[in-house]
Amino acid sequence: KQEVTQIPAALSVPEGENLVLNCSFTDSAIYNLQWFRQDPGKGLTSLLLIQSSQREQTSGRLNASLDKSSGRSTLYIAASQPGDSATYLCAVPGGYNKLIFGAGTRLAVHP
Amino acid sequence: GAVVSQHPSWVICKSGTSVKIECRSLDFQATTMFWYRQFPKQSLMLMATSNEGSKATYEQGVEKDKFLINHASLTLSTLTVTSAHPEDSSFYICSARDHPDGTYEQYFGPGTRLTVT
Repeated sequence: KQEVTQIPAALSVPEGENLVLNCSFTDSAIYNLQWFRQDPGKGLTSLLLIQSSQREQTSGRLNASLDKSSGRSTLYIAASQPGDSATYLCAVPGGYNKLIFGAGTRLAVHP
Repeated sequence: GAVVSQHPSWVICKSGTSVKIECRSLDFQATTMFWYRQFPKQSLMLMATSNEGSKATYEQGVEKDKFLINHASLTLSTLTVTSAHPEDSSFYICSARDHPDGTYEQYFGPGTRLTVT
């Protein structure tokens, strides 16, 4: 059974810091991994989708890496800003249709 | 592209009544739609998967008679919470996929906050 763990559960940092959010999964037989952002009371915004054949994806200040063999993914946020404050979720396929989500990392970036 | 909407964005209903939530794909045809539930400070849990024109597939522990799902067209799926109770209060999020292949990306709606009093 696929399980997804995210560390840390919460993070509070001053503006400008470079951040690393971690995601680990128990079953390495995945075909992709996705990182989402969720603002309070809102739906999910897809940030990055990494296919199993890729090792990393970049979008602006965000960089996500995937190491299938070790069951890990990392989301790197460069030069954090208060607008980055949100919950960050990672998700992997848990079957043909199902996405298995981690519990998320709640990020607060203060000025 | 790939926009999914939900209506209403929030709803308050009395215990014992039923409430319907709509999920629409605005600029693509959704062969498959998904309904998730999220409790405060918890992650999303898949409730059911629906394919257009066929019955929904429910996850273990989800009552199909309580959470009625209808995927009547390629752009619309509805979730009806029947005989709602306070414990059904939650954030319901739908997602949609434009390809039957499970490896394709799901696009998420903005969510519906349900409060049952």
